[in-house]
Amino acid sequence: KAGVTQTPRYLIKTRGQQVTLSCSPISGHRSVSWYQQTPGQGLQFLFEYFSETQRNKGNFPGRFSGRQFSNSRSEMNVSTLELGDSALYLCASSLRGTVSWTGGVAGGAYEQFFGPGTRLTVL
Amino acid sequence: GIQVEQSPPDLILQEGANSTLRCNFSDSVNNLQWFHQNPWGQLINLFYIPSGTKQNGRLSATTVATERYSLLYISSSQTTDSGVYFCAVVSQETSGSRLTFGEGTQLTVNP
Repeated sequence: KAGVTQTPRYLIKTRGQQVTLSCSPISGHRSVSWYQQTPGQGLQFLFEYFSETQRNKGNFPGRFSGRQFSNSRSEMNVSTLELGDSALYLCASSLRGTVSWTGGVAGGAYEQFFGPGTRLTVL
Repeated sequence: GIQVEQSPPDLILQEGANSTLRCNFSDSVNNLQWFHQNPWGQLINLFYIPSGTKQNGRLSATTVATERYSLLYISSSQTTDSGVYFCAVVSQETSGSRLTFGEGTQLTVNP
């Protein structure tokens, strides 16, 4: 079974431009989450989508947005790029939205699987 | 929000040595995962372990949910084990898929 795929793998943009990153989840997974990794802030949650709806959002400005399509593929967009947006952007997929939680200590938990990331450099 | 602390931040070993990485979290969790980040940046799943003990080859992990910590054991380390190890949790309060990551442990295994 193919893993999570992300395109492009590398991207160089200049300040003020916008960028769109793409993520295809593991076949059968409907939830896609996005994370940003920087040396200063570590790994931070951006947002999660399933069933084409944003379910959860991290503490990022409105310049960061996303969407999900009916085939569960997701895109994230960053507008008016700033130098500080240079980062590794990772997406993850899980069975949330596909498999119902049946309770227990691990209830509500869904293992997440990450893609290889898109490394964005803003000049 | 939930806090995740990993220790030690850096660890240098000789090949063949054993090691224990620790992850403390500040609240009850629904999900706890250990990852190894490879040199290209991809997070490789090691364990999905919100509670209990699991083993996979030379690696094993234990989570004591009631005491809010998890341990990752690496035995007979190899140079290929080098990299950053992350612990990440989903708090029961937020549930869903929002993983909160620790700062990681940078492991270097020398030949």
